[in-house]
Amino acid sequence: RKEVEQDPGPFNVPEGATVAFNCTYSNSASQSFFWYRQDCRKEPKLLMSVYSSGNEDGRFTAQLNRASQYISLLIRDSKLSDSATYLCVVRGFGNEKLTFGTGTRLTIIP
Amino acid sequence: DAGITQSPRHKVTETGTPVTLRCHQTENHRYMYWYRQDPGHGLRLIHYSYGVKDTDKGEVSDGYSVSRSKTEDFLLTLESATSSQTSVYFCAISDPARGQLNEQFFGPGTRLTVL
Repeated sequence: RKEVEQDPGPFNVPEGATVAFNCTYSNSASQSFFWYRQDCRKEPKLLMSVYSSGNEDGRFTAQLNRASQYISLLIRDSKLSDSATYLCVVRGFGNEKLTFGTGTRLTIIP
Repeated sequence: DAGITQSPRHKVTETGTPVTLRCHQTENHRYMYWYRQDPGHGLRLIHYSYGVKDTDKGEVSDGYSVSRSKTEDFLLTLESATSSQTSVYFCAISDPARGQLNEQFFGPGTRLTVL
């Protein structure tokens, strides 16, 4: 079983729709959680950190469920510019190493 | 954007030849990382460094070596390149002094093709 698992998609979603991604992680000792965004042929960039209480940044909402070991990302009112691959990322306790999911590809359709 | 550059950006080489990729940062971050990204595998850590001359292996370190002689440079060497090392290589930096939820910043990547 992979340490971090994501639905690879692709998700093809009309502009303005709401889309949600889930991610599960296997190591219950994982300490920090993130969503990264990667555009085609570009480097990954941090989209948002995921806090235990959940957090929101504009149209983006991230949730963490430690009991079930999953993380979610919700995108509301999707824009064409949201088209990208979204990477679920987990960090273990007491170290700087990150474990990446394989990513979920999202395409927003006009 | 974080000041991270990678060189070369693209390289085509032949099996059995040595290859060195360079990562250079201007952010004075303590940690530096080398990842490879392949379809179906996501980003996988090759090696990382937690200070000058301090390095450690990641999950896919076989066939790779690294060196860090100064804070700003982290070199990845393929001593004898194989076709299985064809990939996109990303360098990243971070600094734990920024707090527990610190971010890793990535360089633009190097596309390596081994024929």
